[in-house]
Amino acid sequence: DGGITQSPKYLFRKEGQNVTLSCEQNLNHDAMYWYRQDPGQGLRLIYYSQIVNDFQKGDIAEGYSVSREKKESFPLTVTSAQKNPTAFYLCASRGLAGEDTQYFGPGTRLTVL
Amino acid sequence: QKEVEQDPGPLSVPEGAIVSLNCTYSNSAFQYFMWYRQYSRKGPELLMYTYSSGNKEDGRFTAQVDKSSKYISLFIRDSQPSDSATYLCAMSAYGNKLVFGAGTILRVKS
Repeated sequence: DGGITQSPKYLFRKEGQNVTLSCEQNLNHDAMYWYRQDPGQGLRLIYYSQIVNDFQKGDIAEGYSVSREKKESFPLTVTSAQKNPTAFYLCASRGLAGEDTQYFGPGTRLTVL
Repeated sequence: QKEVEQDPGPLSVPEGAIVSLNCTYSNSAFQYFMWYRQYSRKGPELLMYTYSSGNKEDGRFTAQVDKSSKYISLFIRDSQPSDSATYLCAMSAYGNKLVFGAGTILRVKS
């Protein structure tokens, strides 16, 4: 089955720790995205990557970092510099050329203890 | 003012009702319009995709885009309790980032 997987489903972080969220896709999509979702605020773009070894900051990149070493993988690290990291994190990939549709993974719920 | 406005609801309807969900936007460059359905604690699922103005129908769902009014709608006919979810509109100018509405919570009562 083609799709996007995210792990873990739930993640707990202590203050001052860095944590890494995994995102993998087997859709052969070039572009991948990370969003943060908070209640009542919709989806906000953290980082995106249009091609391997290249990525750009989104609207709320501070306190986050990413890498894109493989087409299939786009991990997100939430650093200790992110002041309010508790949120639902969604990874997405972009569909076929000529469309702007994005397809989402199941999400990771991060909670800071 | 946000680029995309969407009433957060919740919108509560009886089973079998016709549901109308709406978004307005301010950027006239938007050409691609999408509706996503999101169940609690799940990732958004693409429901409808429309390019430019017009209507698109898929089963019980109809998407409408009125670019002159900068207004898009999603209609759900014969609504079911399983339609209870948050509905997100999203739009873009080609090659640019998707801009999302905040989502409307829909509750269909049996």
